[in-house]
Amino acid sequence: QSALTQPRSVSGSPGQSVTLSCTGSSLDVGGYKYVCWYQQHPGKAPKLILYDVTKRPSGVPDRFSGSKSGNTASLTISGLQAEDEADYFCCSYAGSFTWVFGGGTQLTVL
Amino acid sequence: QVQLVESGGGVVQPGGSLRLSCAASGFTFSSYSFHWVRQAPGKGLEWVTVISYDGGKQYYADSVQGRFTISRDNSKNTLYLRMNSLRAEDTALYYCARDSADPDTYYFDYWGQGTLVTVSS
Repeated sequence: QSALTQPRSVSGSPGQSVTLSCTGSSLDVGGYKYVCWYQQHPGKAPKLILYDVTKRPSGVPDRFSGSKSGNTASLTISGLQAEDEADYFCCSYAGSFTWVFGGGTQLTVL
Repeated sequence: QVQLVESGGGVVQPGGSLRLSCAASGFTFSSYSFHWVRQAPGKGLEWVTVISYDGGKQYYADSVQGRFTISRDNSKNTLYLRMNSLRAEDTALYYCARDSADPDTYYFDYWGQGTLVTVSS
């Protein structure tokens, strides 16, 4: 049950696109299609923005998209907006009814 | 609307015990599995445990196996986490999170605001 690896910080300017990575292993990210992403603003609860690698819950803008290649999943945010500045956490099902999260990436909108 | 409200956090000495609660409303509590997820200060999220919709199955992270017990009371729409033999590294904000109702996938769709547990002498 090792944590997934995410870059500590990423930044971008308004209107630009940024991609956040999430690296695991064949036991989690690489082994299942169940990768999810959460957005967390300071002092707030995490909010689901993607599940099953690419699916968006109702109400999440299509500026948020996901992909996966091998043991690495990615979250791309296009048309960056000021309100996108937050921490982003990835998670993955890891088998046997266990889950694993990443350490989080702090996104700064310049 | 879906609401999850955690309570029971506080300061406890190493080796001590604490019971957290999560009161649910706005949906049929007994139809969902639930998780506890924690976040140490300034750190990432860590999955802790899950309980099935009927309480019949529980699974734990290695870091808490044998020390923590998840349970639920469907008549009270409440989820619990009993934490024993607490350690400094258990210090964290503890969230309860609802599991997706979709049986073909695995994710947490709603979260509470969390309750803070501090283990310190």
